[in-house]
Amino acid sequence: LAKTTQPISMDSYEGQEVNITCSHNNIATNDYITWYQQFPSQGPRFIIQGYKTKVTNEVASLFIPADRKSSTLSLPRVSLSDTAVYYCPAYSGAGSYQLTFGKGTKLSVIP
Amino acid sequence: NAGVTQTPKFRVLKTGQSMTLLCAQDMNHEYMYWYRQDPGMGLRLIHYSVGEGTTAKGEVPDGYNVSRLKKQNFLLGLESAAPSQTSVYFCASSYSSRGNAKNIQYFGAGTRLSVL
Repeated sequence: LAKTTQPISMDSYEGQEVNITCSHNNIATNDYITWYQQFPSQGPRFIIQGYKTKVTNEVASLFIPADRKSSTLSLPRVSLSDTAVYYCPAYSGAGSYQLTFGKGTKLSVIP
Repeated sequence: NAGVTQTPKFRVLKTGQSMTLLCAQDMNHEYMYWYRQDPGMGLRLIHYSVGEGTTAKGEVPDGYNVSRLKKQNFLLGLESAAPSQTSVYFCASSYSSRGNAKNIQYFGAGTRLSVL
């Protein structure tokens, strides 16, 4: 079964760059890697997606090595409003439509 | 530009009561999903639908039923609520599924359900 592994929690000071790494066990050849952000009392929100190399948008950057066995979400100069849980979900198996989110990484930004 | 709308936002039930949670999306998405999230846990898939008139079981389907009579709506039913179903329920939709750059899921704001 495909699954992802990411740190349970991370702390960072305001203004620092934060990198959250996710390992992708058995990722399928044609699967994209996506990251979601969830604030308390809200639904998850898509933030970035990639297949290979580097993707950047107004919120974050995503680095994916050539073997695609991991990905790193990079948040530049975090602020208190970036305190949230970050997920890198994976499909549960070949041909499955089931996206498994896991517990995610709880990022706490400290003033 | 509503996206995914869930009703109701909050509900308190007594054990044994029934209720239906409604999810509506205005993005013409084919795929719709129901998740539950318990404290300190990630999201767990209850049921999903790959198109109008179709439904399938997810990771934790017991005690729930779903229907997708219209493309834009996905209903989640609890026939006889139990305290173990106290949770936050999220609905999501996506244009396509895996293997496609448009497989991004868009989530509703959630329904907080307490079963006493």
